[in-house]
Amino acid sequence: NAGVTQTPKFQVLKTGQSMTLQCAQDMNHEYMSWYRQDPGMGLRLIHYSVGAGITDQGEVPNGYNVSRSTTEDFPLRLLSAAPSQTSVYFCASSFSGGGLYNEQFFGPGTRLTVL
Amino acid sequence: AQKITQTQPGMFVQEKEAVTLDCTYDTSDPSYGLFWYKQPSSGEMIFLIYQGSYDQQNATEGRYSLNFQKARKSANLVISASQLGDSAMYFCAMREGTSYDKVIFGPGTSLSVIP
Repeated sequence: NAGVTQTPKFQVLKTGQSMTLQCAQDMNHEYMSWYRQDPGMGLRLIHYSVGAGITDQGEVPNGYNVSRSTTEDFPLRLLSAAPSQTSVYFCASSFSGGGLYNEQFFGPGTRLTVL
Repeated sequence: AQKITQTQPGMFVQEKEAVTLDCTYDTSDPSYGLFWYKQPSSGEMIFLIYQGSYDQQNATEGRYSLNFQKARKSANLVISASQLGDSAMYFCAMREGTSYDKVIFGPGTSLSVIP
C-alpha cells in the first residue's frame, strides 16, 4: 500500500495563479481531510469529506475548493492564490467504521509558497 | 473558538527523564476521542496514542501514556525515559461524537531532548 500520497511536494505560485493540490489514498478510507500548517497555529482544517460526492467546510475554507468524485482522490483547488495561502498542506484519511477511534493517516505534505 | 489548547509552545527535557505535554480541550459532546500525533523535523505526522471519553483507564502505548482527567477536560501526554529521537512537535487532536468525520488539532508543543 502506498498509503496517502500528495503531489507536488513543493510549489511556488504567483499571486492570482490557480492550482490543484492532489491527494490520493489506496486504503479505501471514506473520510478524507485537508489541513494547512502554519507556525504556532498547528493544523487547521480546510475541508473534509465523508465519502464520494460529499464535502464540507472546516475551520479555514475561504479561498479553497474541493470535490470528491471517487473514494480514492480528494483534490484541493486554489482558485486565485494569495500570499496568505503560503503554508504546508497536509491531506489525511481515516476509516469510517468503528466510531471515534480511527487514527488519521497523513500524506507527506505539500509546501506551497505564493509570491 | 479554540477547542484544543496546548499552552507550552516549547519544552526541554533531559535525556532519560520523563516529560508531560499539556492538552486541554473544550466540548459539550459527551462522546469524543482524543489523539496525540508526533511530527519530527522530517515533517511526517505519526499517530502516537488515543483516548476515548468513555474509556475507563488511561491509555498507554509503550513509553507514551495519557493522563486523562475528564472533569478538567485535560489529556496530557506523558513520555517516559525521553530519547533524542523524541525531539519533535507534538499535537493534540479531538474528534467529537456528533461530527466524527472531523478532527481538530491544537497548536502543538515543540519538545527538545537534551543529551
